[in-house]
Amino acid sequence: SQKIEQNSEALNIQEGKTATLTCNYTNYSPAYLQWYRQDPGRGPVFLLLIRENEKEKRKERLKVTFDTTLKQSLFHITASQPADSATYLCALGAGSYQLTFGKGTKLSVIP
Amino acid sequence: NAGVMQNPRHLVRRRGQEARLRCSPMKGHSHVYWYRQLPEEGLKFMVYLQKENIIDESGMPKERFSAEFPKEGPSILRIQQVVRGDSAAYFCASSPSVDLVYEQYFGPGTRLTVT
Repeated sequence: SQKIEQNSEALNIQEGKTATLTCNYTNYSPAYLQWYRQDPGRGPVFLLLIRENEKEKRKERLKVTFDTTLKQSLFHITASQPADSATYLCALGAGSYQLTFGKGTKLSVIP
Repeated sequence: NAGVMQNPRHLVRRRGQEARLRCSPMKGHSHVYWYRQLPEEGLKFMVYLQKENIIDESGMPKERFSAEFPKEGPSILRIQQVVRGDSAAYFCASSPSVDLVYEQYFGPGTRLTVT
């Protein structure tokens, strides 16, 4: 069955460092992969989308890589800030709308 | 432009009662998706609707659950005869068109507690 694993449930890093979150998947051939941010008590907020034929995508301090051979995506936040503290969700899509989400990684940026 | 609206934000029901969750998509969005997030689990797709049509309900339990998106008014997710296992956060998302379905805008969710 399809499986999505995000590297750890929680990740603590020092302010100013680069946070790296991992999303691995098995038994899946996604056409694209998305990253969302979710704050407590709120819905997910879309951050970035990367398609299967793209290796890397950037948006401000965010960078996503997508390796379909390794079946892995890495999500980087550079120069992290306490305001970046949240749960980050990886979501895979094969068709045009049905997303399959990982459980998320809770990131805490320590001042 | 208001975002996706969901109400109620919190809903408490006793076992056997009915739960009705409402979702108003963003203005101009005609595609609505419902997801369920169980404790310690990722979001799971339930159903995809367009105005007056259910496009894909493959993720929705066959019994007790139904969804609609009428021509006028919000989308409704209805759970009949709720059980404790239905306790979860239910999220609605919307997108503007079939060509832009990749990016989904989520509402704040309804947290259902079954006692």
